[in-house]
Amino acid sequence: AQKITQTQPGMFVQEKEAVTLDCTYDTSDPSYGLFWYKQPSSGEMIFLIYQGSYDQQNATEGRYSLNFQKARKSANLVISASQLGDSAMYFCAMREGLRLTGGGNKLTFGTGTQLKVEL
Amino acid sequence: GAVVSQHPSRVICKSGTSVKIECRSLDFQATTMFWYRQFPKQSLMLMATSNEGSKATYEQGVEKDKFLINHASLTLSTLTVTSAHPEDSSFYICSARDERRGGPRETQYFGPGTRLLVL
Repeated sequence: AQKITQTQPGMFVQEKEAVTLDCTYDTSDPSYGLFWYKQPSSGEMIFLIYQGSYDQQNATEGRYSLNFQKARKSANLVISASQLGDSAMYFCAMREGLRLTGGGNKLTFGTGTQLKVEL
Repeated sequence: GAVVSQHPSRVICKSGTSVKIECRSLDFQATTMFWYRQFPKQSLMLMATSNEGSKATYEQGVEKDKFLINHASLTLSTLTVTSAHPEDSSFYICSARDERRGGPRETQYFGPGTRLLVL
């Protein structure tokens, strides 16, 4: 089974509008972390936002917020006031079995959503 | 945020030659680094986990002798693609864990990636 599912291969949004990018996950581990990364056409992966499985509140970072619905196992990214520069590929990722120290804790990525912001 | 560099950013080589890609954490120490491979329009696939001072941990299906990983210091990991073939052409991207914070919230920071083209 897919651990991370992003069902939207592509999304279009008008400038200044808000957009929600979907992400559902599958894990039996009670301790996990969810990440969103942005990948512009240049290729670098830019960390956007993090949500821990035990966090009581939804994470927010500037124009990015994470709609964390634990019972539904969803972690949708909301981008408010979209800008042309937001056009990029967006990846949802999960890290399971969090430990305080040590190696491992690898990330599993979804297939990504290509976001295009239009005038 | 933390900075991770990769060198070279782009390389073209002949079939049968070996190519070395460097991944450096510039302002933090990383005992663990990760190497990913990404084909066009696809997600990141973890190849191996690079552990400082010990052998790398390879994901299932990744040939250890084909993709040599050396993590000789706390700031440098190298990936060598040996006897490269055209099917090895891909985007290779590394990441490093910023362990200064520790705990579940620690974040992986990604390098800018290396585009490899094998002729």
